[in-house]
Amino acid sequence: DIQMTQSPASLSASLGETISIECRASEDIYSNLAWYQQKSGKSPQLLIYAANRLQDGVPSRFSGSGSGTQYSLKISGMQPEDEGDYFCLQGSKFPNTFGAGTKLELK
Amino acid sequence: EVQLVESGGGLVQPGRSLKLSCAASGFTFSNYYMAWVRQAPKKGLEWVATISTSGSRTYYPDSVKGRFTISRDNAKSSLYLQMNSLKSEDTATYYCARRRVYPGITTNYYVMDAWGQGASVTVSS
Repeated sequence: DIQMTQSPASLSASLGETISIECRASEDIYSNLAWYQQKSGKSPQLLIYAANRLQDGVPSRFSGSGSGTQYSLKISGMQPEDEGDYFCLQGSKFPNTFGAGTKLELK
Repeated sequence: EVQLVESGGGLVQPGRSLKLSCAASGFTFSNYYMAWVRQAPKKGLEWVATISTSGSRTYYPDSVKGRFTISRDNAKSSLYLQMNSLKSEDTATYYCARRRVYPGITTNYYVMDAWGQGASVTVSS
Protein backbone atom coordinates (compact mmCIF):
# COMPACT_ATOMS: atom_id res chain seq x y z
CA ASP A 1 0.00 0.00 0.00
CA ILE A 2 1.12 3.59 -0.65
CA GLN A 3 1.72 5.47 2.60
CA MET A 4 1.03 9.21 2.66
CA THR A 5 3.05 11.15 5.25
CA GLN A 6 1.56 14.58 5.86
CA SER A 7 3.18 17.42 7.78
CA PRO A 8 2.83 19.39 9.92
CA ALA A 9 0.09 17.87 12.07
CA SER A 10 -0.98 21.33 13.18
CA LEU A 11 -0.26 24.88 12.17
CA SER A 12 -1.16 28.30 13.48
CA ALA A 13 -1.03 31.22 11.04
CA SER A 14 -1.64 34.96 11.25
CA LEU A 15 -4.05 36.79 8.99
CA GLY A 16 -2.42 37.26 5.57
CA GLU A 17 0.41 34.82 6.27
CA THR A 18 1.45 32.32 3.60
CA ILE A 19 1.56 28.70 4.74
CA SER A 20 2.49 25.35 3.24
CA ILE A 21 1.44 21.80 3.99
CA GLU A 22 3.42 18.84 2.69
CA CYS A 23 2.55 15.29 1.69
CA ARG A 24 5.13 12.67 0.89
CA ALA A 25 4.16 9.39 -0.79
CA SER A 26 6.02 6.13 -0.18
CA GLU A 27 6.30 5.65 -3.96
CA ASP A 28 5.77 7.66 -7.13
CA ILE A 29 2.09 8.61 -7.49
CA TYR A 30 2.50 10.44 -10.82
CA SER A 31 0.76 13.63 -9.60
CA ASN A 32 -2.39 11.68 -8.70
CA LEU A 33 -2.73 13.82 -5.61
CA ALA A 34 -5.69 15.80 -4.32
CA TRP A 35 -6.08 18.23 -1.42
CA TYR A 36 -9.22 18.64 0.65
CA GLN A 37 -10.40 21.11 3.26
CA GLN A 38 -12.73 19.95 6.01
CA LYS A 39 -14.40 22.38 8.36
CA SER A 40 -15.73 21.27 11.73
CA GLY A 41 -18.77 19.04 11.38
CA LYS A 42 -18.76 19.22 7.59
CA SER A 43 -17.77 16.89 4.77
CA PRO A 44 -14.45 17.34 2.93
CA GLN A 45 -14.34 19.84 0.07
CA LEU A 46 -12.02 19.36 -2.91
CA LEU A 47 -9.46 22.15 -3.34
CA ILE A 48 -6.80 20.80 -5.70
CA TYR A 49 -6.59 17.75 -7.98
CA ALA A 50 -3.86 16.34 -10.22
CA ALA A 51 -1.38 17.95 -7.81
CA ASN A 52 -1.79 21.49 -9.11
CA ARG A 53 -5.21 21.98 -10.73
CA LEU A 54 -7.56 24.29 -8.85
CA GLN A 55 -11.10 22.97 -8.42
CA ASP A 56 -13.82 25.27 -9.77
CA GLY A 57 -14.92 27.85 -7.22
CA VAL A 58 -11.86 27.53 -5.00
CA PRO A 59 -10.11 30.84 -4.24
CA SER A 60 -6.87 31.44 -6.15
CA ARG A 61 -4.90 31.86 -2.91
CA PHE A 62 -4.88 28.06 -2.80
CA SER A 63 -2.27 26.36 -4.97
CA GLY A 64 -0.69 22.94 -5.26
CA SER A 65 2.65 21.76 -6.53
CA GLY A 66 4.88 18.74 -6.62
CA SER A 67 5.61 15.57 -8.54
CA GLY A 68 6.85 12.06 -7.93
CA THR A 69 6.62 11.50 -4.19
CA GLN A 70 6.65 15.09 -2.85
CA TYR A 71 3.65 17.43 -2.91
CA SER A 72 2.59 20.62 -1.21
CA LEU A 73 -0.43 22.83 -0.71
CA LYS A 74 0.13 26.56 -0.31
CA ILE A 75 -2.27 29.17 0.99
CA SER A 76 -1.06 32.63 -0.04
CA GLY A 77 -2.56 34.93 2.53
CA MET A 78 -4.36 33.17 5.37
CA GLN A 79 -8.03 34.16 5.78
CA PRO A 80 -10.31 33.41 8.76
CA GLU A 81 -12.43 31.08 6.62
CA ASP A 82 -9.37 28.94 5.89
CA GLU A 83 -9.40 27.48 9.39
CA GLY A 84 -10.03 23.76 9.34
CA ASP A 85 -8.44 20.40 8.64
CA TYR A 86 -6.58 19.66 5.43
CA PHE A 87 -5.99 16.22 3.94
CA CYS A 88 -4.13 14.89 0.93
CA LEU A 89 -5.34 11.84 -1.02
CA GLN A 90 -3.47 9.66 -3.49
CA GLY A 91 -5.62 8.27 -6.30
CA SER A 92 -2.81 6.50 -8.13
CA LYS A 93 -3.46 3.01 -6.81
CA PHE A 94 -5.91 1.06 -4.71
CA PRO A 95 -6.12 1.20 -1.78
CA ASN A 96 -6.54 4.95 -2.07
CA THR A 97 -4.83 6.47 0.96
CA PHE A 98 -5.13 9.77 2.79
CA GLY A 99 -2.59 11.76 4.73
CA ALA A 100 -3.22 11.99 8.47
CA GLY A 101 -4.32 15.61 8.20
CA THR A 102 -3.18 19.09 9.20
CA LYS A 103 -5.19 21.25 11.57
CA LEU A 104 -4.88 24.91 10.53
CA GLU A 105 -5.84 27.63 12.98
CA LEU A 106 -5.82 31.40 12.84
CA LYS A 107 -3.37 32.90 15.30
CA GLU B 1 -26.25 20.91 -8.38
CA VAL B 2 -24.61 17.63 -7.38
CA GLN B 3 -26.22 16.17 -4.27
CA LEU B 4 -25.37 13.03 -2.35
CA VAL B 5 -27.54 12.15 0.63
CA GLU B 6 -26.63 9.25 2.91
CA SER B 7 -29.08 7.39 5.12
CA GLY B 8 -29.28 4.25 7.21
CA GLY B 9 -26.78 5.04 9.94
CA GLY B 10 -27.37 4.29 13.60
CA LEU B 11 -26.35 2.30 16.67
CA VAL B 12 -25.65 -1.40 16.11
CA GLN B 13 -24.21 -4.15 18.28
CA PRO B 14 -20.86 -5.77 17.48
CA GLY B 15 -21.23 -8.67 15.08
CA ARG B 16 -24.46 -7.36 13.59
CA SER B 17 -25.15 -5.86 10.16
CA LEU B 18 -26.17 -2.48 8.78
CA LYS B 19 -26.84 -1.17 5.29
CA LEU B 20 -26.15 2.40 4.25
CA SER B 21 -27.76 4.08 1.26
CA CYS B 22 -26.77 7.13 -0.74
CA ALA B 23 -29.22 8.93 -3.02
CA ALA B 24 -27.56 10.84 -5.85
CA SER B 25 -28.97 13.70 -7.91
CA GLY B 26 -27.80 16.54 -10.12
CA PHE B 27 -25.60 14.39 -12.40
CA THR B 28 -25.78 11.24 -14.55
CA PHE B 29 -25.14 8.68 -11.81
CA SER B 30 -24.48 5.78 -14.18
CA ASN B 31 -21.49 7.60 -15.73
CA TYR B 32 -19.43 7.72 -12.54
CA TYR B 33 -17.55 5.35 -10.31
CA MET B 34 -18.70 5.86 -6.72
CA ALA B 35 -17.02 5.36 -3.37
CA TRP B 36 -17.47 5.22 0.38
CA VAL B 37 -15.04 6.92 2.74
CA ARG B 38 -15.23 6.87 6.54
CA GLN B 39 -13.92 9.00 9.36
CA ALA B 40 -13.68 7.70 12.92
CA PRO B 41 -14.40 10.26 15.67
CA LYS B 42 -11.65 12.91 15.81
CA LYS B 43 -9.62 10.89 13.29
CA GLY B 44 -8.55 11.08 9.68
CA LEU B 45 -10.21 9.79 6.53
CA GLU B 46 -10.14 6.17 5.39
CA TRP B 47 -11.23 4.92 1.98
CA VAL B 48 -13.69 2.02 2.37
CA ALA B 49 -14.87 0.93 -1.10
CA THR B 50 -15.18 1.89 -4.76
CA ILE B 51 -17.52 0.54 -7.44
CA SER B 52 -17.38 0.80 -11.22
CA THR B 53 -20.10 2.40 -13.33
CA SER B 54 -21.85 -0.90 -14.08
CA GLY B 55 -21.18 -2.41 -10.67
CA SER B 56 -19.15 -5.25 -12.14
CA ARG B 57 -15.93 -4.19 -10.42
CA THR B 58 -15.50 -3.43 -6.74
CA TYR B 59 -12.47 -2.51 -4.66
CA TYR B 60 -11.87 -2.64 -0.89
CA PRO B 61 -9.02 -2.16 1.57
CA ASP B 62 -8.02 -5.17 3.66
CA SER B 63 -9.67 -3.65 6.77
CA VAL B 64 -13.19 -4.28 5.38
CA LYS B 65 -12.67 -6.87 2.63
CA GLY B 66 -14.98 -9.85 3.14
CA ARG B 67 -17.22 -7.93 5.57
CA PHE B 68 -18.42 -4.92 3.53
CA THR B 69 -20.11 -4.98 0.12
CA ILE B 70 -20.59 -1.94 -2.09
CA SER B 71 -23.36 -2.02 -4.69
CA ARG B 72 -25.39 0.34 -6.82
CA ASP B 73 -28.74 0.66 -8.60
CA ASN B 74 -28.28 2.95 -11.59
CA ALA B 75 -32.02 3.02 -12.28
CA LYS B 76 -32.54 4.52 -8.84
CA SER B 77 -29.33 6.62 -8.81
CA SER B 78 -28.47 4.98 -5.53
CA LEU B 79 -25.34 3.62 -3.90
CA TYR B 80 -25.26 1.14 -1.04
CA LEU B 81 -22.86 -0.22 1.55
CA GLN B 82 -23.75 -3.49 3.23
CA MET B 83 -21.71 -3.85 6.41
CA ASN B 84 -21.58 -7.26 8.10
CA SER B 85 -19.76 -8.56 11.20
CA LEU B 86 -19.39 -5.02 12.47
CA LYS B 87 -16.65 -4.22 14.96
CA SER B 88 -16.19 -1.32 17.37
CA GLU B 89 -13.43 0.01 15.10
CA ASP B 90 -16.01 0.46 12.33
CA THR B 91 -17.56 3.29 14.36
CA ALA B 92 -17.32 6.33 12.09
CA THR B 93 -19.11 8.82 9.89
CA TYR B 94 -19.52 7.23 6.46
CA TYR B 95 -19.41 9.49 3.42
CA CYS B 96 -20.67 8.68 -0.05
CA ALA B 97 -18.44 10.25 -2.72
CA ARG B 98 -18.38 10.60 -6.49
CA ARG B 99 -15.17 9.54 -8.18
CA ARG B 100 -14.23 11.70 -11.11
CA VAL B 101 -11.60 11.07 -13.77
CA TYR B 102 -9.60 13.95 -15.21
CA PRO B 103 -7.66 13.01 -18.36
CA GLY B 104 -3.99 13.85 -18.45
CA ILE B 105 -1.35 13.68 -21.17
CA THR B 106 0.24 10.46 -19.97
CA THR B 107 -2.11 9.35 -17.23
CA ASN B 108 -5.59 9.90 -15.82
CA TYR B 109 -6.18 11.60 -12.49
CA TYR B 110 -8.69 10.11 -10.10
CA VAL B 111 -10.32 12.17 -7.38
CA MET B 112 -13.39 12.13 -5.17
CA ASP B 113 -14.88 15.45 -6.15
CA ALA B 114 -18.27 15.51 -4.43
CA TRP B 115 -19.21 14.21 -1.00
CA GLY B 116 -22.40 13.68 0.96
CA GLN B 117 -23.01 15.06 4.43
CA GLY B 118 -22.24 11.71 6.06
CA ALA B 119 -24.08 9.00 8.00
CA SER B 120 -23.03 8.18 11.56
CA VAL B 121 -22.49 4.52 12.47
CA THR B 122 -21.81 3.52 16.08
CA VAL B 123 -20.90 -0.08 16.86
CA SER B 124 -21.37 -0.72 20.56
CA SER B 125 -23.06 -3.13 22.92
